[in-house]
Formats: sequence, C-alpha cells, structure tokens
Amino acid sequence: QVQLVESGGGFVKPGGSLRLSCEASGFSFSDYNMNWIRQAPGKGLEWISYISSSDGTTYYADSVKGRFTISRDNVKNSLYLQMTSLRADDTATYYCAILGDGYKFDNWGQGTLLTVSS
Amino acid sequence: QSALTQPRSVSGSPGQSVTISCAGSSSDVGGYYYVSWYQQHPGQAPKLIIYNVRNRPSGVPARFSGSKSGNTASLTISGLQAEDEADYFCCSYAGTSLNWVFGGGTKLTVL
Repeated sequence: QVQLVESGGGFVKPGGSLRLSCEASGFSFSDYNMNWIRQAPGKGLEWISYISSSDGTTYYADSVKGRFTISRDNVKNSLYLQMTSLRADDTATYYCAILGDGYKFDNWGQGTLLTVSS
Repeated sequence: QSALTQPRSVSGSPGQSVTISCAGSSSDVGGYYYVSWYQQHPGQAPKLIIYNVRNRPSGVPARFSGSKSGNTASLTISGLQAEDEADYFCCSYAGTSLNWVFGGGTKLTVL
C-alpha cells in the first residue's frame, strides 16, 4: 500500500537550516507530482511547495519562497525540503503528500515536527 | 492568498446531520471545481474524504457529501457517528502558478 514516511524534523535556532526527507513506497513515485504541506501547532493546514513528476517544475507559497527548496530523487523514491533562514513561525508539522488527478492530496505521510526557537 | 473561512466548531448528536461551510472567493472556491475536504483525527495525518467538490474516494462512506454554491463550499455529514468526531479542513486550488489554499479547520463534536 502507499506509504510516505517523513523524517528530519527537530529543534533549530532562528536563522538555521534543516533538510526534511520523505521516503515513498507502494506506488510508482516517479509518476506523481508531490507536495509539502505544514500545520502549525493547533492551527490549520498550509500548502507550501509542489514539484512535478516530469520536469521537476517547482512552486512555492509566498511564505517560504526564497528560503525553502523542494527536490526529489526518483531513484531513491524520495522527496526533500531544504529549509534555510528558519523563523519561529516555521514551527510546524511538515507533511509530504501525493497530488492526485483533480488537484487533490490523495495520500499523506504522518508528518515530521520542526521547532524553531532560541 | 488568504485562508478559506470555516466555522471553528460544529456539533451534533448521533444520527443527526451537520454541515460545515467553507467560504472563499472567485479566485479559489468560486473559480474552480477543485475543492477537497480532509478529515483529521488527533495525532493523525489528514485523510481525503471529498474531492472535486462532491466526489468521494473509494472507502469513504456515502454519509459524507460535498457541494458548492458560488464562492462557498459545504461538507455535510449525515447520520453522525461517534467516529466522525475530528477536525475537518476544506481546500481549494487557487491557480496562479499552482497553489492551494486551506480553510482554518472545523472541530466536529459528536454529543
């Protein structure tokens, strides 16, 4: 079955950097567009980034543009999010999610928690 | 892009029906049929329950239904069950260099 497992979260000081990973299994990873979505503690969901399956086209929410970089390795069946210049308001659980036909998020991982604090 | 507007909470007794609204704009909900809904139980990942305004993925009970009128989408849960108690989030594609906007979430309490 489809499985997405995020890792790499942790505790970082403001201004720091971190890379999140999402390991995919149970489906043909290279065929699917992928996304990162985050959820601040006790808050709603926020889409932050997209990467296409075919040509690696990427898009970002304004809140992370210029600071975060999404990438993928179709050989390793993995999705990544490189985060720099981290701020306290980046504190959230970060989920990777498959984008299905109809612009819906079909499957989600269990998430990895990032805490940015001094 | 502003978040979509949902009520903070709704409640209902077992067997009753509840409707959760999701207000957006012509740039998101009103402009596309790509409205989806997600159910999230505490400590778990969100789960897709409605897509393209009114379609249910395989395995989602028919008690869950979606609709849209103008810039507002709605999720109706009929025949409430205790297991339906969860947070519900709406989401709309918002175009413009591929982006999506979510609602703030609605906590459903089954009394």
